[in-house]
Amino acid sequence: DSGVTQTPKHLITATGQRVTLRCSPRSGDLSVYWYQQSLDQGLQFLIQYYNGEERAKGNILERFSAQQFPDLHSELNLSSLELGDSALYFCASSSTTGPYEQYFGPGTRLTVT
Amino acid sequence: SQQGEEDPQALSIQEGENATMNCSYKTSINNLQWYRQNSGRGLVHLILIRSNEREKHSGRLRVTLDTSKKSSSLLITASRAADTASYFCATLTGGGNKLTFGTGTQLKVEL
Repeated sequence: DSGVTQTPKHLITATGQRVTLRCSPRSGDLSVYWYQQSLDQGLQFLIQYYNGEERAKGNILERFSAQQFPDLHSELNLSSLELGDSALYFCASSSTTGPYEQYFGPGTRLTVT
Repeated sequence: SQQGEEDPQALSIQEGENATMNCSYKTSINNLQWYRQNSGRGLVHLILIRSNEREKHSGRLRVTLDTSKKSSSLLITASRAADTASYFCATLTGGGNKLTFGTGTQLKVEL
């Protein structure tokens, strides 16, 4: 158990809909990262937050957004969903000090029908 | 985009044998990390090697890093059926804390 929690475990929704994925980092970790894992793209970094502020951005679509709240939990919002958004979405957290091992949550499996 | 390519894509061995996986990457790195993923589940951090280190051990795991060749290898000794999983290398580069993952090696350890 990494100490990172994600909800929900599974999500099935229709095209065009909007969903919110939630992540709670390990106790004491200020950095939260979101990754997408799909069969065709592999594991891709989406976005990082550090203590409530966006720190780095990767291959995140404009239809996707994220935020980190004062209690350090984070939410990833996916809107206008398309079939190709079906994937595993992982959240990870890391310590504020180096060397920045990242600890992953169990993931949310999103299926868009 | 993927930073690393892993080789082989898939590996099948008998329990007790050693398994070696290789990872190549493209740009300079701060460190390289190896993760394990059991079938569609979360990634488990295995080991981290800094760019100024050449070799690191953790239990049955041995990682080497050759920055001149931009490559790393993960050796699992005396493999067990429970080692069956996908193994990914991931690089941390300057300018941020994002990890860039390789394509992964699927390891199957048979009894």
